[in-house]
Amino acid sequence: GQQLNQSPQSMFIQEGEDVSMNCTSSSIFNTWLWYKQDPGEGPVLLIALYKAGELTSNGRLTAQFGITRKDSFLNISASIPSDVGIYFCAGQWPESGGSNYKLTFGKGTLLTVNP
Amino acid sequence: ETGVTQSPTHLIKTRGQQVTLRCSSQSGHNTVSWYQQALGQGPQFIFQYYREEENGRGNFPPRFSGLQFPNYSSELNVNALELDDSALYLCASTPRGGNTEAFFGQGTRLTVV
Repeated sequence: GQQLNQSPQSMFIQEGEDVSMNCTSSSIFNTWLWYKQDPGEGPVLLIALYKAGELTSNGRLTAQFGITRKDSFLNISASIPSDVGIYFCAGQWPESGGSNYKLTFGKGTLLTVNP
Repeated sequence: ETGVTQSPTHLIKTRGQQVTLRCSSQSGHNTVSWYQQALGQGPQFIFQYYREEENGRGNFPPRFSGLQFPNYSSELNVNALELDDSALYLCASTPRGGNTEAFFGQGTRLTVV
């Protein structure tokens, strides 16, 4: 089955630093999504990527869909304390003739920002 | 536009009992998916509902079942609860038609004792 390897597992950085995290897959996906989850809450969508090679920004966040369709990265620039949380990558591939769009998630990257 | 809402937010059940979790999809979204998130893990796909029918299922036993109603809201039912069923259960809704983003509710924290 499809598996996502997300790295690093955790990061401790100083406020103002840039952050990079990535996901690789054993299978290709046709959509990559990046989510942030705070404790006790549901994941919140940050960025969605639909085309191989696509580079998309959302404020201080930038994500790219790898050319091979098996990887993606997320960068956060000039980190601030509220960036603290768990970041998940998720790949999406339709199954059953295009009628099912389940998400396969990585295990997450725990980000801690020291003020 | 209302977001995805789930109820209850927390629940404690005894092993062997049955539980029903509820989800109201985001306005305009007619597809609902359910995920189980164990502590320290990413969410795992349970199943998806579209047009009131199951539309794909992950690696979960039949005691995990669901329903979707004409207003697109959904229920997740789990029978014969086991300790390992303790997790955050997440509902996500998507509009139908191609690759689109899934928006999640805040989840229901289920503890089985």
